[in-house]
Amino acid sequence: QVQLQESGPGLVKPSETLSLTCTVSRGSISPYYWSWIRQPPGKGLEWIGYIYSSGSTNYNPSLKTRVTISIDTSKKQFSLKLSSVTAADTAVYYCARSYSSSWCGDFNYWGQGTLVTVSS
Amino acid sequence: DIQMTQSPSTLSASVGDRVTITCRASQSISSWLAWYQQKPGKAPNLLIYKASSLESGVPSRFSGSGSGTEFTLTISSLQPDDFATYYCQQYNSYPITFGQGTRLEIK
Repeated sequence: QVQLQESGPGLVKPSETLSLTCTVSRGSISPYYWSWIRQPPGKGLEWIGYIYSSGSTNYNPSLKTRVTISIDTSKKQFSLKLSSVTAADTAVYYCARSYSSSWCGDFNYWGQGTLVTVSS
Repeated sequence: DIQMTQSPSTLSASVGDRVTITCRASQSISSWLAWYQQKPGKAPNLLIYKASSLESGVPSRFSGSGSGTEFTLTISSLQPDDFATYYCQQYNSYPITFGQGTRLEIK
């Protein structure tokens, strides 16, 4: 059973960069699509973007100018950086894996989520 | 972006009821639709993928149907563990988008 675990600071100051890492255990990091998804408190889900195990990426246009997702297959980790954060970026951030190695979409493995609060 | 609209936003039902949640896409997504269940403080859990395929380990009382722009999630006989929030999600095109959620509460 694949396990995902998010890690990173729970508090980020406005205008700074949010950085999170997702560690994959009990499964291979290749050849799959790995996504970041967030959920503001009490609200719905927003897909941030994916990285394929080869390193190719696709970002949500609403965040594209501020997002970078990277991968380190040797460590079985992938990471999210979101720059110039504001209070609107306060959310639970999830990492997730797609069901199939052929497309990104149906997420059958999720991390437990980590709350990131943007506040001075 | 493809907009996903769920109805109703809130649904009150009793144990044993048959319930249906509808999800409409703003344009055709073929069968590239997933359904998730989310409980408070937990990550979403995949129930249905490709509109009608039941994820392994998910009880058979859950079923999905539809294609194109209209989809449904049906729970044939509600169990106490089913009271949660349900989301649909399209993965026909990027960006991947979710419905706003349907909260299923005990009547």
